[in-house]
Amino acid sequence: GNSVTQMEGPVTLSEEAFLTINCTYTATGYPSLFWYVQYPGEGLQLLLKATKADDKGSNKGFEATYRKETTSFHLEKGSVQVSDSAVYFCALSDEDSSYKLIFGSGTRLLVRP
Amino acid sequence: NAGVTQTPKFQVLKTGQSMTLQCAQDMNHNSMYWYRQDPGMGLRLIYYSASEGTTDKGEVPNGYNVSRLNKREFSLRLESAAPSQTSVYFCASSRTGGGYGYTFGSGTRLTVV
Repeated sequence: GNSVTQMEGPVTLSEEAFLTINCTYTATGYPSLFWYVQYPGEGLQLLLKATKADDKGSNKGFEATYRKETTSFHLEKGSVQVSDSAVYFCALSDEDSSYKLIFGSGTRLLVRP
Repeated sequence: NAGVTQTPKFQVLKTGQSMTLQCAQDMNHNSMYWYRQDPGMGLRLIYYSASEGTTDKGEVPNGYNVSRLNKREFSLRLESAAPSQTSVYFCASSRTGGGYGYTFGSGTRLTVV
């Protein structure tokens, strides 16, 4: 079945450091891929998405490129801020999952001043 | 603001008690979902409603029931609460399936003692 695997956290960085959070997926179809962010005490918010191979999603300085050849959708940001501290979830949706979202287990990011 | 509203935000139940979690969306979305979030396990789908008048089981439906009251509202009921149901519950909605991404509510933190 479809699944999403994320790197385990927490990821701890200093402010202005470069961020990469790895995400790989298993899917038999052609999924859409998403990154969601959850700030403390809140629900999940859509951060960015990509719907086909080689698409790049971007938002708020975050980027992720849909790599079909490596089945990956890694999240990157060039310079993190303390306010980026949150839990990040990778997710996929395709016809094999009846277009429901399947989430990874989440990666906690801590950014220190 | 448009979005998904969940009530209550916090609840403590005794084992064996029942309660209903309420969810309403005002975005004219067709699909609605209930997830639970537990530490280290990401989000797990309990039930979903692809459209008004339909409901289906997700990954972890045991101990829960749902009602799609109308297009706006989707409730989750615990008939006889158990400590294993201590969790944070999120409601979400989407236009049709997950391909457009979900909009999440802010969650209900439930403790069963």
